[in-house]
Amino acid sequence: EVQLLESGGGLIQPGGSLRLSCAASGFIFSGYAMSWVRQAPGKGLEWVSVISGSGGSTYYADSVKGRFTISRDNSKNTLFLQMDSLRPDDTAVYSCASGGVAGPLGYWGQGSLVTVSS
Amino acid sequence: EIVLTQSPGTLSLSPGERATLSCRASQSVSSNYLAWYQQKPGQAPRLLIYGASSRATGVPDRFSGSGSGTDFTLTISRLEPEDFAVYYCQQYGSSPGTFGQGTKVEIK
Repeated sequence: EVQLLESGGGLIQPGGSLRLSCAASGFIFSGYAMSWVRQAPGKGLEWVSVISGSGGSTYYADSVKGRFTISRDNSKNTLFLQMDSLRPDDTAVYSCASGGVAGPLGYWGQGSLVTVSS
Repeated sequence: EIVLTQSPGTLSLSPGERATLSCRASQSVSSNYLAWYQQKPGQAPRLLIYGASSRATGVPDRFSGSGSGTDFTLTISRLEPEDFAVYYCQQYGSSPGTFGQGTKVEIK
């Protein structure tokens, strides 16, 4: 059974940093691109970033480019999202999902809430 | 960036009726890399359709996708009570992989 479990969310002040993790199991992690998608309270889905299976290619939404960094550790089946210079409009549930580079988002985690507020 | 526009914003229908959801792209979607997702309150999105018309594993055959280029459609042939939810289209042919704003299918 495929499982994606996010962790690392919480309340952070504007300008602060957080690192999200996504632990994957039940599939060959290194064989899949992985994405982060966020959903602000009561709003729609926004794709944030994607990384190739090898980790050699990354892409970011313009809204987070230069502030967020996606990475992965294939030896530990874990995906990361380093979020710096956080702003109140970054407040959202952040979910990891498999796929994203020429592939749909097949499996999703339940998400981790990030709240940016003073 | 490809902008996806979904219509209508809300669809009010009764169980057993047919639902037709539209997704229009601001430019052609590469290789028809267009997906549809279903999201229920408090749940993660679920992949329904990929490649514009292929059903994901376990998706009932009352869900079908069609279209190409810039115009895509998700059809639910006969609404079941569990189908009332929000539906999103997403293109994954070019980065960023943008989503539409969603269509809510509600019980009339």
